[in-house]
This record gives sequence, C-alpha cells and structure tokens, in this order.
Amino acid sequence: AQSVTQPDIHITVSEGASLELRCNYSYGATPYLFWYVQSPGQGLQLLLKYFSGDTLVQGIKGFEAEFKRSQSSFNLRKPSVHWSDAAEYFCAVGMDSSYKLIFGSGTRLLVRP
Amino acid sequence: DTGVSQDPRHKITKRGQNVTFRCDPISEHNRLYWYRQTLGQGPEFLTYFQNEAQLEKSRLLSDRFSAERPKGSFSTLEIQRTEQGDSAMYLCASSLQGSGANVLTFGAGSRLTVL
Repeated sequence: AQSVTQPDIHITVSEGASLELRCNYSYGATPYLFWYVQSPGQGLQLLLKYFSGDTLVQGIKGFEAEFKRSQSSFNLRKPSVHWSDAAEYFCAVGMDSSYKLIFGSGTRLLVRP
Repeated sequence: DTGVSQDPRHKITKRGQNVTFRCDPISEHNRLYWYRQTLGQGPEFLTYFQNEAQLEKSRLLSDRFSAERPKGSFSTLEIQRTEQGDSAMYLCASSLQGSGANVLTFGAGSRLTVL
C-alpha cells in the first residue's frame, strides 16, 4: 500500500538558517509528489510538485525539493527561513491516475527570532 | 475566482445531532474531494466526485456519512448522529481532470467539534 512518512514531528530553526524537511514514500511505480503548507486556521497551499523530468523542483516562497528515486525520498529545502514560514508542512504522494493523494502526518516548523 | 469555499468554518454540536457541510469548488473544476484531518495528522481521503458521480468512498466513511454533488458543482457532506470521534477538520478540494497529474486546490476547511 502507498504510504508517506515524515519522520520529524517538529523542527525548530533560527530565522535566516537553512531548512530541510524529510519525506519518504512507499509506492511501486513513479509517484507524483507534492509538498503542501498549512498555516493555522487555513487550508493547504501547494508549495511544489514533481511529476517527471528534472528531479530538483522549484516552488513558491523560495522552496525547492529533490526527488531521489534510490532513497524513495522527496525532501523539502529552503536556504534561508523567514519567520512567516512557521507552519505545518505536509508531503503527499499521488498515484498514476492520481485522483487522490496520500498525505504524511506533517512536520510542524517553528522559527526562532 | 475565489478558490474553494467551505461553509461553515466552525461547527459545534452535541453528540447525536446531524451536521452538514458545504463545499463550493473552483468553478471549472470537475473533480471534488473530501478529506478529514484530525489533530496532529495529515488529511485522510474520504470520498471523490467526478462531476456528479461519486466514484470512490473510503472505508473511513461510515454509514452515518453521506456526500452529494447533485449538479456537479457544489457538494455537501452530512454526518448523521454525530459522535465525539467525528470531531475533526473536514477539508474539501477540487481539481481539473486532464490537467496532467492531479493538482488539488484545498479550501480552508470546516472544523467540527462534537460535545
């Protein structure tokens, strides 16, 4: 069965520091991969997605993610975190027909001033 | 386009009561999804419509839950005889078939608290 693991429940970084959020998936074929962000009281906003091609994808708000097939990973990165990045981040995998997504349990990002 | 709208944003009810949530998707989107999110968890798939047809229901969707999309536009999710375990955020999303791999646009959610 398809699954997504986000091993870090919480991560705290200082403003201006770099960030990496981990995501591992389990899926037999090449997946469609997504990162969403959720601020308190808000819905999920799409940060970036990977379908095929270049394994390094750029997203909004300065985020990027790299698909590594050999590691079944799709880690999210940002070189310099801003206080407004504090939120919960969800990795998700979609299947071939991709009419639904399987989400990880999320990583809550806290940003120290 | 104002995105995906959900109403109400918050609902507090007593156990045993019925509740209904409404979702208005992005107007040109023909696919609509309902997800449930409990505290500390990621969203879990509940059900999916393509136009007015409900094509899949998760086993999470017990007999007390029913979803409709009568004209292929807005959708409603009704929970009958609510239980405390139904307390969660109910998220609606929509997407456009044929736009490559499905990119879901989510609404802000409807938070249900069952006392």
